[in-house]
Amino acid sequence: GAGVSQTPSNKVTEKGKYVELRCDPISGHTALYWYRQSLGQGPEFLIYFQGTGAADDSGLPNDRFFAVRPEGSVSTLKIQRTERGDSAVYLCASSFLAGGGYNEQFFGPGTRLTVL
Amino acid sequence: AQSVAQPEDQVNVAEGNPLTVKCTYSVSGNPYLFWYVQYPNRGLQFLLKYITGDNLVKGSYGFEAEFNKSQTSFHLKKPSALVSDSALYFCAVRDDQGGKLIFGQGTELSVKP
Repeated sequence: GAGVSQTPSNKVTEKGKYVELRCDPISGHTALYWYRQSLGQGPEFLIYFQGTGAADDSGLPNDRFFAVRPEGSVSTLKIQRTERGDSAVYLCASSFLAGGGYNEQFFGPGTRLTVL
Repeated sequence: AQSVAQPEDQVNVAEGNPLTVKCTYSVSGNPYLFWYVQYPNRGLQFLLKYITGDNLVKGSYGFEAEFNKSQTSFHLKKPSALVSDSALYFCAVRDDQGGKLIFGQGTELSVKP
């Protein structure tokens, strides 16, 4: 079956620009997660959704970062006024349940963001 | 706060030999532990998890992991390494306040023929 998909696979932008990264989770998965992975590091949590609402956004680094999941399926991570330090691979994952569930998360291939 | 540590940046093994990739954890409650593998330019793939029950957990591609509560460890093992096992391996713990995963720094496994 189809896995988690992310678009675009690569995004190059200039400092100060706005970008949107899209995640399409596995059909039926209620929980959706965003992580950021810098070179040589493990993924770092950004935000997760249970359905349409953000259940935990404690990992968002500042108010330039925002994410939505309006219909409980596709999610968009939005970054305003990009900075060079935002360059990383942004990973999306989905699972059946967060919270009380202990199901594994399935990851997409990631979007590599480069801010020049 | 939950955390995991992977003490080795790199592990080198000859093909056919057993391999171990180490992980230790720190949690305030029950540990829920995961191993993922990442191949170049690809997303993370789930290998196995420990939630409760038997301390030896079997997963994908012949991998297994041993949960040791007294040593707070969850080492990944395979009896006979393949060159195709060469990849980046991540240990993770589920946060007890929700579903997010907290990852270690990763260990690069290199299996030589």
